[in-house]
Amino acid sequence: SAVISQKPSRDICQRGTSLTIQCQVDSQVTMMFWYRQQPGQSLTLIATANQGSEATYESGFVIDKFPISRPNLTFSTLTVSNMSPEDSSIYLCSVAGEGGEVREQYFGPGTRLTVT
Amino acid sequence: QQQVKQSPQSLIVQKGGIPIINCAYENTAFDYFPWYQQFPGKGPALLIAIRPDVSEKKEGRFTISFNKSAKQFSLHIMDSQPGDSATYFCAVSSGTYKYIFGTGTRLKVLA
Repeated sequence: SAVISQKPSRDICQRGTSLTIQCQVDSQVTMMFWYRQQPGQSLTLIATANQGSEATYESGFVIDKFPISRPNLTFSTLTVSNMSPEDSSIYLCSVAGEGGEVREQYFGPGTRLTVT
Repeated sequence: QQQVKQSPQSLIVQKGGIPIINCAYENTAFDYFPWYQQFPGKGPALLIAIRPDVSEKKEGRFTISFNKSAKQFSLHIMDSQPGDSATYFCAVSSGTYKYIFGTGTRLKVLA
């Protein structure tokens, strides 16, 4: 499976600021996704990062709050804008579309964000 | 509305025991059912997955049982070890790459 890295691994940010999270994959992948995992909770899909076009957002998530870029098949960024304490979560990228079972998703290590 | 219900929320077993985690779903369009294991501070790792055309799948000590008519699937961990202590998530998918995750089960295996 692909090796996925995320930067930063963790950060503490002030209310009202923005943070950009990077996701790098060691091989070209078809699909990339961004998830949020609130403390002690399950994973919720934020959006599908589309290469060369606008991301596809899930209900409850908007581009102004979570702008996403995917300039190529190995890299994507998620920005958390105008942060509030409610944005404190783990943000995870995942990839899919490789190997025998194309729907298998593999996750990065996550970015732990604390907003004060 | 929760599309996949996972139980129990937490589980404690003795080493060598067989913890069983259950998930139930409503939408018969779901056709791919993976299980993930997550250790603290790590991303979820894919354990095993099943499609509805089979009733059971084994990979090492992990087994998925699938009951299509009941719309339920379960994860069994054979000969559980303290190193299996983690949070386990089921997920469902319907013809696309999008997953809906269960609420998670925190497993503790006592030495």
